Amino acid sequence: SQTIHQWPATLVQPVGSPLSLECTVEGTSNPNLYWYRQAAGRGLQLLFYSVGIGQISSEVPQNLSASRPQDRQFILSSKKLLLSDSGFYLCAWSAKGVTQYFGPGTRLLVL
Amino acid sequence: DAKTTQPTSMDCAEGRAANLPCNHSTISGNEYVYWYRQIHSQGPQYIIHGLKNNETNEMASLIITEDRKSSTLILPHATLRDTAVYYCIVSGAGSYQLTFGKGTKLSVIP
Repeated sequence: SQTIHQWPATLVQPVGSPLSLECTVEGTSNPNLYWYRQAAGRGLQLLFYSVGIGQISSEVPQNLSASRPQDRQFILSSKKLLLSDSGFYLCAWSAKGVTQYFGPGTRLLVL
Repeated sequence: DAKTTQPTSMDCAEGRAANLPCNHSTISGNEYVYWYRQIHSQGPQYIIHGLKNNETNEMASLIITEDRKSSTLILPHATLRDTAVYYCIVSGAGSYQLTFGKGTKLSVIP
């Protein structure tokens, strides 16, 4: 069966520091991968998606970037965090269909 | 993606069926209805999806009206662990984006 991992589970970072969140998927090949953010009390916002290695589509221009160095690895990064980057970051995968399966999430607090 | 409308909150007694409605009057012919739920501080969990026919799995049943303008998610015997925010989402087969609205906060009461 397929499993999706995210780490770290929680992170507290100062403003201006860099960020790297990692997501890996097991048990499937060539998945679509997604990064979402959920701000406190709000809905999920799609940030990036990828249909293959090195292929990244950005949905919202912002302070973040994504990379897919391997088939089942998706990384979310920032060079300098802003206060507004705080939130719950969720990685998801799908086969070449619509149903997406979400990871446990990373809670980021920027101070 | 078509827009959906859900009640903000609902209560359900433990052991009873929870019926969560969703309106999607602008749904187009190739769009599916998806249901996810999010338990506090966790990632969303896929529940079920359907196109035209009613669907059932080990978690829930999905009833879609004949005109496809609304649907109902049924949890047949709600437990306290079913307390969560439930999202109804409409998405086409070729879409990469699931648009999550505010959902329905279901509280299962002992």
